[in-house]
Order: sequence, then structure tokens, then C-alpha cells
Amino acid sequence: GQNIDQPTEMTATEGAIVQINCTYQTSGFNGLFWYQQHAGEAPTFLSYNVLDGLEEKGRFSSFLSRSKGYSYLLLKELQMKDSASYLCAVRDSNYQLIWGAGTKLIIKP
Amino acid sequence: GAGVSQTPSNKVTEKGKYVELRCDPISGHTALYWYRQSLGQGPEFLIYFQGTGAADDSGLPNDRFFAVRPEGSVSTLKIQRTERGDSAVYLCATPTWGQGWEQYFGPGTRLTVT
Repeated sequence: GQNIDQPTEMTATEGAIVQINCTYQTSGFNGLFWYQQHAGEAPTFLSYNVLDGLEEKGRFSSFLSRSKGYSYLLLKELQMKDSASYLCAVRDSNYQLIWGAGTKLIIKP
Repeated sequence: GAGVSQTPSNKVTEKGKYVELRCDPISGHTALYWYRQSLGQGPEFLIYFQGTGAADDSGLPNDRFFAVRPEGSVSTLKIQRTERGDSAVYLCATPTWGQGWEQYFGPGTRLTVT
């Protein structure tokens, strides 16, 4: 079956750096997405990786290793507004998105 | 419209009743997806439309769930004989080209079956 694993919850301090990991086993691979979801709101797109390596976008970066079935989302200079759930999703060979359960990130002052 | 809108934002219904949830997607987008999301879970795929037709309805959990998109724009998700287990947030999304045809989600409808 298809599976995406990410930690359920993480805690970090304002101003620090946090890395959220995602491992996947899917039928084929056509890209990996990270989404941010604040409580009571819809997911919003953060980043997309289809080739190995690091994609940087401001305070957020996302890394992909296709051979290892592994990605991480790196958040720098954490702000209180970064408190949210972060969802990892993989597009499989049928171009359907397989979603992880999300990592709830708690930022403490 | 400029974004995806969904109505109602909240719906409370009694077990056994029928409900309709509406999605008004980004204007001109031919693809439309329905998901449902339970607390602490990622979105669960329900159905995907390409124009007026359902290209993939493999995620619909059973025959109580049905969706239509008669004119290729607005879509309605219909749930018959609702059960308490149907309580979730129902999300509508359209793929948008930013980097990788990422999903652009509407605000969702929170359905509560009592």
C-alpha cells in the first residue's frame, strides 16, 4: 500500500530552526508537496519538489531524496504565526495526491 | 471568481438526513477535486472532475455519496442518509500552476452529523 509518515507533533522556540521530516512509499512518484494548515483553515501550498535537492523560498526550504523516499521541510527564524500543521503529500503514478496526517508544530516564546 | 468558495461554511444535520455541499471553483479551471478531512488527518480524496464528468470517483466511501458538476463549473457533493461518521471538513480544490500544479483549496464546509 501507499504510505506517508511524518511526526505527529513537534515543539520549537520562537527564532529557532525546525526540520519536519517526511518519508514515503508510493506507487510511483510525480512530485512532493508541503502545505501549511492553520487550525480551522484550509491547507495552503508551501513548496514543491520533483528533483533531488534543496528548494529555498525565504524562511522555508524543502529537501527531497527520491532514492531514500525522504523529504524535509526546514523552517528558519520561527515566528509565532508559524504555529500550524504541516502536511506532506506525494503525487503518485496516477497523478493522485497521497497525504500524510500532518505534523502539528507548536512554537513557544 | 478569483478563488474557490464553498457553501455553507458550517452544516449541522441529524443522522439520516440528506445534505448538499457546494463548491464554486476558480473561474475557467476544468479540474475540480473533493476531499474530506477528519481532525488530525490529512485530506482524504473523494472524487475528481475533469469538466462535467467524474474522471475518478474511487474515493467515494459508499453509494450514499454522490457528486455532480453539470456545467463544468460549480460542483455539488450530495450525501444521503447521513451517519455520524460522515462528520468532517469537506474541502474542494482546483489544481493551479504555481510550481507543480498544486492544489488550491476552498475554505471548506464543516459537516456535523448529530
